[in-house]
Amino acid sequence: DAKTTQPPSMDCAEGRAANLPCNHSTISGNEYVYWYRQIHSQGPQYIIHGLKNNETNEMASLIITEDRKSSTLILPHATLRDTAVYYCIVRGYNTNAGKSTFGDGTTLTVKP
Amino acid sequence: DAGVTQSPTHLIKTRGQQVTLRCSPKSGHDTVSWYQQALGQGPQFIFQYYEEEERQRGNFPDRFSGHQFPNYSSELNVNALLLGDSALYLCASSPETGLGAGDGYTFGSGTRLTVV
Repeated sequence: DAKTTQPPSMDCAEGRAANLPCNHSTISGNEYVYWYRQIHSQGPQYIIHGLKNNETNEMASLIITEDRKSSTLILPHATLRDTAVYYCIVRGYNTNAGKSTFGDGTTLTVKP
Repeated sequence: DAGVTQSPTHLIKTRGQQVTLRCSPKSGHDTVSWYQQALGQGPQFIFQYYEEEERQRGNFPDRFSGHQFPNYSSELNVNALLLGDSALYLCASSPETGLGAGDGYTFGSGTRLTVV
């Protein structure tokens, strides 16, 4: 699986958009970008994933650059409960691919 | 519909001892993966089980072993515990086919192992 690079920490004001960047310059053509978040003392929670098109669901939006070497997770209206560690990973879509390679993620702190 | 259940939630062991952690996958899931998460770091893949066989393995020594039962539940065993084995151990389950909504991976809340 390709490696990812994320800033170690970011702050965001409550109610504002949180934009979390991720670099994955070695991503291969059949690998998807996945985002998870981990709230303290819990397991990672799936947020969103995409291949090359921008994606949106009830939790977030995912913007993937045209060359697929980077992406941005957008939380449109951050709340205090969005404070967590956010992980960007890349892996094949088929679950037979098995393992996910997590980096150290970005600690997002949403402030009142 | 229960998610992934892990037991125990917390555990304290002494160096050199052996430990067994347990995981019950989400209903409908037949594949189980185990991860180790040291404090302040991301989860690291240990291995994955499917059809009661170890299918993939990360960079972990043979002291780490596992098992999957016919009901898809799984155990992680660690022998000759070291202080460095202190971590949160996460189990994730997924369906082999038919991911459905999301990405199919569901993590449990983990077992916090402390080796003293």
